[in-house]
This record gives sequence, structure tokens and C-alpha cells, in this order.
Amino acid sequence: AQSVTQLDSQVPVFEEAPVELRCNYSSSVSVYLFWYVQYPNQGLQLLLKYLSGSTLVKGINGFEAEFNKSQTSFHLRKPSVHISDTAEYFCAVVNTGTASKLTFGTGTRLQVTL
Amino acid sequence: ETGVTQTPRHLVMGMTNKKSLKCEQHLGHNAMYWYKQSAKKPLELMFVYSLEERVENNSVPSRFSPECPNSSHLFLHLHTLQPEDSALYLCASSQDWSSGNTIYFGEGSWLTVV
Repeated sequence: AQSVTQLDSQVPVFEEAPVELRCNYSSSVSVYLFWYVQYPNQGLQLLLKYLSGSTLVKGINGFEAEFNKSQTSFHLRKPSVHISDTAEYFCAVVNTGTASKLTFGTGTRLQVTL
Repeated sequence: ETGVTQTPRHLVMGMTNKKSLKCEQHLGHNAMYWYKQSAKKPLELMFVYSLEERVENNSVPSRFSPECPNSSHLFLHLHTLQPEDSALYLCASSQDWSSGNTIYFGEGSWLTVV
């Protein structure tokens, strides 16, 4: 079975500063990796996903993530955040070749202030 | 209009009530899901339907009863719930039930059991 760890429950950051949200996973087989964002009072929306190929994945709203197999990590980054990026961010993993049974982390609350 | 629509958005029910949550997807997808989101816990997959057939029941108590009358609609029937069942219930869909597909979420139904 796979698992996901998001070590930071909250990340405060000033507007226009860079940010990194950490995600580590555990699995005995190959995985696909996802980052979802949840804005207040909304459902989850896909930011980006890694299926194969380049380990640097670019997503919407200027976010990117890098798959590091040796460190079993998939950290999310943005070089300059905006107030509108304030939201909950979820990392998720699923074993390749299986059904779509995503395992989610507990989420990281990104709080952007002026 | 979002791709996945959930009603009602908010529901308060007593422990002896019977109510239903409704979900409709306008994306032409073949797989639909119910997730439970509780504070400080990872999203929990409850049920999966693929081509209108239930393919996953993730050890969910029988007081939750799903129904998928066609590929566009999904219901969650609620009966004799407990206060710990209070949570955000998210409906989602994907093209099919394979692991690399993006899952599209609705905005959720906030359920409070009193």
C-alpha cells in the first residue's frame, strides 16, 4: 500500500516570495503523483501531475513540481506567490497500472500575506 | 457551470433522518466517486462506480448507501447517521477508472449531523 506525507500543515509566506510545499511518498511499486488545490468553499482542482517522462512538471498558475525517485519526493514550488494562491494544497499518489484509488496527504495550508 | 455539480451544498440532519446527496457530472466520464473530507484527515475514498457498476466499497458503514442510476448521476443515501459523520462529502468523476486519469471534483456537500 502507498502513503503520502505532507510534513507542513501550514506555510505562511509573504506575497511575491518563493514557496515550496513538501510531499514525500511511500510505495513498493511505480507511482503516479498529483498535486491538487482546494480554495475556500470549493472542491479540489488539479494543479499538475507526474505520469512519466521529464521529472519537472509544470502546472497551472505558475506552479511546478519535481519528481525525485531516489528521495521519494514530489515537492511543489512557485517562484513568486500571490494573495490568490492562499488555499489548501494536497499531494496524492497512486500505483501505476492499478485502478484510480488515490491516496491523499493531509494537506498544507498556504497562507499568503502582504 | 462546473463539470461536477453537487446538491445540496449544505445539509443539517438529525440522527434519525433519511436524506440524500446528489451529484451530476457533465463531462461524459465513465467513473464516479464519493470521498469524505474531515478536518485534519486525508481524503477518504468511500465508493467508486465504473460504467454504473460499483467497483469499490472502502469499508464504509451501511448507513451510507450509494446509487448510480446512469453514468452522469450519483447519489449518496444517508440513514441514521452519527455526529462523527459530519464532514464535507465530495463527488468526483474521471474518464475511466485507470490510475493516470485526472479526477474532477465537485464543490462538495457540507453535512452536519445533530
